[in-house]
Amino acid sequence: KQEVTQIPAALSVPEGENLVLNCSFTDSAIYNLQWFRQDPGKGLTSLLLIQSSQREQTSGRLNASLDKSSGRSTLYIAASQPGDSATYLCAVSGTGNQFYFGTGTSLTVIP
Amino acid sequence: DAGITQSPRHKVTETGTPVTLRCHQTENHRYMYWYRQDPGHGLRLIHYSYGVKDTDKGEVSDGYSVSRSKTEDFLLTLESATSSQTSVYFCAISDGTSSGNTIYFGEGSWLTVV
Repeated sequence: KQEVTQIPAALSVPEGENLVLNCSFTDSAIYNLQWFRQDPGKGLTSLLLIQSSQREQTSGRLNASLDKSSGRSTLYIAASQPGDSATYLCAVSGTGNQFYFGTGTSLTVIP
Repeated sequence: DAGITQSPRHKVTETGTPVTLRCHQTENHRYMYWYRQDPGHGLRLIHYSYGVKDTDKGEVSDGYSVSRSKTEDFLLTLESATSSQTSVYFCAISDGTSSGNTIYFGEGSWLTVV
């Protein structure tokens, strides 16, 4: 069974700092990988989708990379802002339209 | 935003009573999912559907049943609610195309069983 791990579970950084969130998965046979943001008391909002054939995707200050062979993805956030404070989850999709989620990294950006 | 509506958004119910949560989508997506999210466990799949009247169990299906009589609606029923089913329940949808498969989530339903 696919296992998805996100380390660290929590991260606190000062405003303006660049940061990297990590996601690892055990089975490299994935169709794609998604990064989500979840604010307290809210649902999950999709941030970036990387196809299995792609190496990275960018959206504004966010850049996600994928190394399928090593089972790793990173989410790079440039020039962090207090509004970036949230929990970030990654998910991989596999056969049978199943999705496997990490437990998330809780990010706090300190003004 | 994907057109997914969950109802009710918040509910308090007593142990032993049946509860039904509804998910309605306007995207005509083939796949619909029910997850629960709990601290320390992340998102866990309860049941999913791959078409009208086609459903299957997820990893935490005990105590739950589902029905999908129309493409747009996916119902989750707790037959006899227990305190361990206090959780946040998320409905999600995907179009089922393997290459560009994206999953979209509803806003969640907060259920408290007392």
